[in-house]
Amino acid sequence: TQLLEQSPQFLSIQEGENLTVYCNSSSVFSSLQWYRQEPGEGPVLLVTVVTGGEVKKLKRLTFQFGDARKDSSLHITAAQPGDTGLYLCAGSTVGTTSGTYKYIFGTGTRLKVLA
Amino acid sequence: DTGVSQDPRHKITKRGQNVTFRCDPISEHNRLYWYRQTLGQGPEFLTYFQNEAQLEKSRLLSDRFSAERPKGSFSTLEIQRTEQGDSAMYLCASSLTASRNEKLFFGSGTQLSVL
Repeated sequence: TQLLEQSPQFLSIQEGENLTVYCNSSSVFSSLQWYRQEPGEGPVLLVTVVTGGEVKKLKRLTFQFGDARKDSSLHITAAQPGDTGLYLCAGSTVGTTSGTYKYIFGTGTRLKVLA
Repeated sequence: DTGVSQDPRHKITKRGQNVTFRCDPISEHNRLYWYRQTLGQGPEFLTYFQNEAQLEKSRLLSDRFSAERPKGSFSTLEIQRTEQGDSAMYLCASSLTASRNEKLFFGSGTQLSVL
């Protein structure tokens, strides 16, 4: 079974602080996505990284895919209360019976940014 | 484009009853996923479809769970003889095409409570 472990599980920080969330696996993924989810809603895609070592920036968010495509990180600079939410990584893998891509999700990191 | 729609938003049922959830994907999206999510955790893969074909069903799912997508448009997820452990948020997502850049669009989910 492929697992994506995220750390930390919970994070509470003050507005303006920086933080990094990690997503780790022993499996190789074809690509890795990051989502943010707010209470009572479905996850919303933030970014997709495809190439090992790839770095993408989305305003104050920086995403990196590990060289071996087994891990990823999300760094937030100068966090704001609006960044509060559940952050999820998701790895794409080829289904064993389907032969086509499917996505499995990480365990989640709950972030709270205090004003 | 009204997004992915799930119905109902909330369902309360008694243990042993059957329940059925509906998902209407974004029109022209040929891929449809079902996930289950418990509070504060990442979504757990249940099954997915490409058009009307069910590609894979998680081995974690018991025979009490069944999903259909009869005409390649909307999908239903049925749980027979519900148990308290089935209480969770059931999420549906759709996408346009299978690829490692696949973008999943999620609905707001159906929150199931089994008493």
